[in-house]
Amino acid sequence: RKEVEQDPGPFNVPEGATVAFNCTYSNSASQSFFWYRQDCRKEPKLLMSVYSSGNEDGRFTAQLNRASQYISLLIRDSKLSDSATYLCVVNMGTGGFKTIFGAGTRLFVKA
Amino acid sequence: DGGITQSPKYLFRKEGQNVTLSCEQNLNHDAMYWYRQDPGQGLRLIYYSQIVNDFQKGDIAEGYSVSREKKESFPLTVTSAQKNPTAFYLCASSRRTGGDYGYTFGSGTRLTVV
Repeated sequence: RKEVEQDPGPFNVPEGATVAFNCTYSNSASQSFFWYRQDCRKEPKLLMSVYSSGNEDGRFTAQLNRASQYISLLIRDSKLSDSATYLCVVNMGTGGFKTIFGAGTRLFVKA
Repeated sequence: DGGITQSPKYLFRKEGQNVTLSCEQNLNHDAMYWYRQDPGQGLRLIYYSQIVNDFQKGDIAEGYSVSREKKESFPLTVTSAQKNPTAFYLCASSRRTGGDYGYTFGSGTRLTVV
């Protein structure tokens, strides 16, 4: 089992739709969680951190479920500009450090 | 504006050749990293450095070397021992090791073996 797993997609949704991605992680001792966005052939950029209480940033909502070991990202009112690959990132924090990047979920928003 | 600068953007390497990828940051971050990205895979850690003159191997260090002589600079050399070097290479930095405050990435170098 991979340490961090994401559905690779692609997710094809119309503008204005709500779309959700999940990401599962294997290490229950994982300490911090993030979503990054990566545009085609560009570098990843931090989208948002994920907190146990859940957090929201405009149209984006991130949640953490420690019991089931997954994090989620919800995008409301999708825009064409949301088309990208969304990377789940988990810091395992075991001796030294260990950050694991998921392979990403591709999203295409259509007009 | 603060950020990370990687150069070159594209690099072509002949078989048996060593090449060096440049990474410079002006964010005053202590920690710097090199990642490799292949299609359909997550980023994999090559090397990281927490302070000047110190660096640690990541998961796929074989065939690569680094130096950290200055806080701002963390160049990566891809040696001829790296048998499959064609990939997208990303340099990153963070305030502290481990990325708990998030990573800032450079724009990447695409390396192709010709």
